[in-house]
Amino acid sequence: QVQLVQSGAEVKKPGASVKVSCKASGYTFTSYGISWVRQAPGQGLEWMGWISAYNGNTNYAQKLQGRVTMTTDTSTSTAYMELRSLRSDDTAVYYCARVSGEMAAWGQGTLVTVSS
Amino acid sequence: EIVLTQSPDFQSVTPKEKVTITCRASQSIGSSLHWYQQKPDQSPKLLIKYASQSISGVPSRFSGSGSGTDFTLTINSLEAEDAATYYCHQSSSLPWTFGQGTKVEIK
Repeated sequence: QVQLVQSGAEVKKPGASVKVSCKASGYTFTSYGISWVRQAPGQGLEWMGWISAYNGNTNYAQKLQGRVTMTTDTSTSTAYMELRSLRSDDTAVYYCARVSGEMAAWGQGTLVTVSS
Repeated sequence: EIVLTQSPDFQSVTPKEKVTITCRASQSIGSSLHWYQQKPDQSPKLLIKYASQSISGVPSRFSGSGSGTDFTLTINSLEAEDAATYYCHQSSSLPWTFGQGTKVEIK
């Protein structure tokens, strides 16, 4: 079955960077894209961006441009999301999702806490 | 950016009642509208894709309709396990966006 397994929780100081991984299994990795979605405590879902696992093309939410980088490693079927210059309002659960329009499968989420 | 507005924000419903949640897009998105259910401390789960297409394993009481700018998620005969927050999402044009969510509570 399709599975996306994310890396564990992180605690970072303001100004630091975080890199979250998302390992896919149960399907042909390069046949789908991966989106990253975050959810601040008690808030709704925020789309962060998308990467094609086929050719590495990306599209990022404008508010994160310059701070976020999404990559994939096709040899290990793993997607990565790096967020730099962390601020307190980046505290959230970060999800990866397999996409082909709809987000049919989701990772379990990774809590990133930004605190001094 | 396409803005998705859901209504209502919150609904308190008795079991077996019918629930209707609407999602309005700020411009036409064809049928590129998807619905998700999120329970507390869980990842979102896809319920309906492309406005009305059912998803394997999702109970048949969940259905979707609409096209263009107006969409509806219907839950027929609500069950206690349906207590959750529901989100719509458009994949018509980048940046993709979500509605603000509709919380459904069981009375």
